[in-house]
Amino acid sequence: GESVGLHLPTLSVQEGDNSIINCAYSNSASDYFIWYKQESGKGPQFIIDIRSNMDKRQGQRVTVLLNKTVKHLSLQIAATQPGDSAVYFCAEIPRYNTDKLIFGTGTRLQVFP
Amino acid sequence: ETGVTQSPTHLIKTRGQQVTLRCSSQSGHNTVSWYQQALGQGPQFIFQYYREEENGRGNFPPRFSGLQFPNYSSELNVNALELDDSALYLCASRPGTGETQYFGPGTRLLVL
Repeated sequence: GESVGLHLPTLSVQEGDNSIINCAYSNSASDYFIWYKQESGKGPQFIIDIRSNMDKRQGQRVTVLLNKTVKHLSLQIAATQPGDSAVYFCAEIPRYNTDKLIFGTGTRLQVFP
Repeated sequence: ETGVTQSPTHLIKTRGQQVTLRCSSQSGHNTVSWYQQALGQGPQFIFQYYREEENGRGNFPPRFSGLQFPNYSSELNVNALELDDSALYLCASRPGTGETQYFGPGTRLLVL
């Protein structure tokens, strides 16, 4: 069935370093991808999105890369800060006009001083 | 703050009971979706409501039902609760096609 998965369940980085979180998706028909950050006890928080007609999109300290050939997404966080510690999910929407986000199991990012 | 609120924040029920969870979305957000998030997992899509009608459903049994009201608030009802229904229930809203979904803080349900 459809699935969105992550390669690493836990990523530990030192404060100030760059972080890269990876995600594989299985539905080649998906045309919209989103990264969410979820802190303990809170709902998922939108970070950045990208559509399938793009390869790269940049935000404030974050960059999302999309490789449709191998169905791979990555989230890059520059100069990682303690406040970035959270679980990160990638999600896809198989069709443009639905809200059926398909989430993976998440990657926990731990930032050490 | 996303402007999406949910109540209650926590709830404890026993197997076989029924529960109603509530969501209040941002003004003008006419689409609301509900998700179930088991511990250590990503959220799973339950269903979506648009203009008070169900407009998409995930792989959940009929004992999961919902309502959307004219003021774009929403309810999730679960009948005949099972132990596996213990999870964080999230609602998300958005103003229209193609816009970002904004999640509420969730309701944590424990079924004993």
